[in-house]
Amino acid sequence: DAGVTQSPTHLIKTRGQQVTLRCSPISGHKSVSWYQQVLGQGPQFIFQYYEKEERGRGNFPDRFSARQFPNYSSELNVNALLLGDSALYLCASSTSRLNKNTEAFFGQGTRLTVV
Amino acid sequence: KNQVEQSPQSLIILEGKNCTLQCNYTVSPFSNLRWYKQDTGRGPVSLTIMTFSENTKSNGRYTATLDADTKQSSLHITASQLSDSASYICVVSLTLDSNYQLIWGAGTKLIIKP
Repeated sequence: DAGVTQSPTHLIKTRGQQVTLRCSPISGHKSVSWYQQVLGQGPQFIFQYYEKEERGRGNFPDRFSARQFPNYSSELNVNALLLGDSALYLCASSTSRLNKNTEAFFGQGTRLTVV
Repeated sequence: KNQVEQSPQSLIILEGKNCTLQCNYTVSPFSNLRWYKQDTGRGPVSLTIMTFSENTKSNGRYTATLDADTKQSSLHITASQLSDSASYICVVSLTLDSNYQLIWGAGTKLIIKP
């Protein structure tokens, strides 16, 4: 069985551009969460989607948006990129809306570099 | 403020030795505590999940402890191997207004030397 897959694996963008990151959850998983991990720090929660609806949002500006499709895959969009957006973007999938009893499985991440 | 602090920030030990990583948290209300292993440039992989009532949980050579009274957890690695080189992240979860949140520590970077 395929795990959580993210694309692309690496990406270089210039300031002001827009980027779209993609995530396919594990088959049968209906929840996807997005995290930003700056080098040397732990992941920071951005969004959680469950059954195609936003179920949680972290402390990120409106330049960050996401959506979940009927097949439960998800896209994260970042507009007007800043140098500080350079990070590893992680996608996690879980069977249901994340709670104390569910396990989150992470993809390998997309390394975004903004120059 | 809900925070998770880990120590040490980094650690270098020789292959075959044991080590213990620390996690202190100020998260409330506490739901559970997780330890993740993250290889460089990869996504985190879960090692253990501990609830409020659990004191100790093992996963092979990894043993996690939890003291909910002092809000401290530790991850003990026995007979370290080169493949244990990674960042180890402590994550504490809480449920607030029906929203389940994960509060992540910054991690401890562990390097195993032959």
